Amino acid sequence: AQSVTQLGSHVSVSEGALVLLRCNYSSSVPPYLFWYVQYPNQGLQLLLKYTSAATLVKGINDFEAEFKKSETSFHLTKPSAHMSDAAEYFCAVSRGGGFKTIFGAGTRLFVKA
Amino acid sequence: GAGVSQSPRYKVAKRGQDVALRCDPISGHVSLFWYQQALGQGPEFLTYFQNEAQLDKSGLPSDRFFAERPEGSVSTLKIQRTQQEDSAVYLCASSLALSGRANEQFFGPGTRLTVL
Repeated sequence: AQSVTQLGSHVSVSEGALVLLRCNYSSSVPPYLFWYVQYPNQGLQLLLKYTSAATLVKGINDFEAEFKKSETSFHLTKPSAHMSDAAEYFCAVSRGGGFKTIFGAGTRLFVKA
Repeated sequence: GAGVSQSPRYKVAKRGQDVALRCDPISGHVSLFWYQQALGQGPEFLTYFQNEAQLDKSGLPSDRFFAERPEGSVSTLKIQRTQQEDSAVYLCASSLALSGRANEQFFGPGTRLTVL
């Protein structure tokens, strides 16, 4: 079975500050891990994905995430927050093609001017 | 099309009514998923198609929920005798079905269902 836990339903940062959104996963098989972003009234958009090729994954808009097997974590970071980053972020885990994706409950990011 | 489309975008139903939600996936995408997203929650898996075959329907909450994809392209999620607890955003996603690969799912904008 697979599951995802996102620590913190809300995170607030100042513009220009570091963004850190936490995600821990549970999986009985090597997982594929994803971060998606959802803007109001829009569908989910992929930020980045971990496919076992590299533990540090870079995505769009300067986001990146590091896969740490020993900690079963896949935290999302961005060096400098921008107002346009304010959105809901979802961490997700999958066994790969042909299998469902399990999503976390989401973390809403607020960016203060 | 350029992306996954869903219709209608908004649906208001009276309790007990039947509703049908449509999903047009990206052309050529073999896999199609339906998710239910309650307010303030992450998407919850409902069902999965590979072409016209429904390979996993373990997430359908009751026998009032039914999904089909008869020609392996457009899919319809039908909810019979809607209840208030069915109120949610229903998301459709499609992807390539590459076994053993981390297939990115492309999501539609969703259909917001409100049951009064």
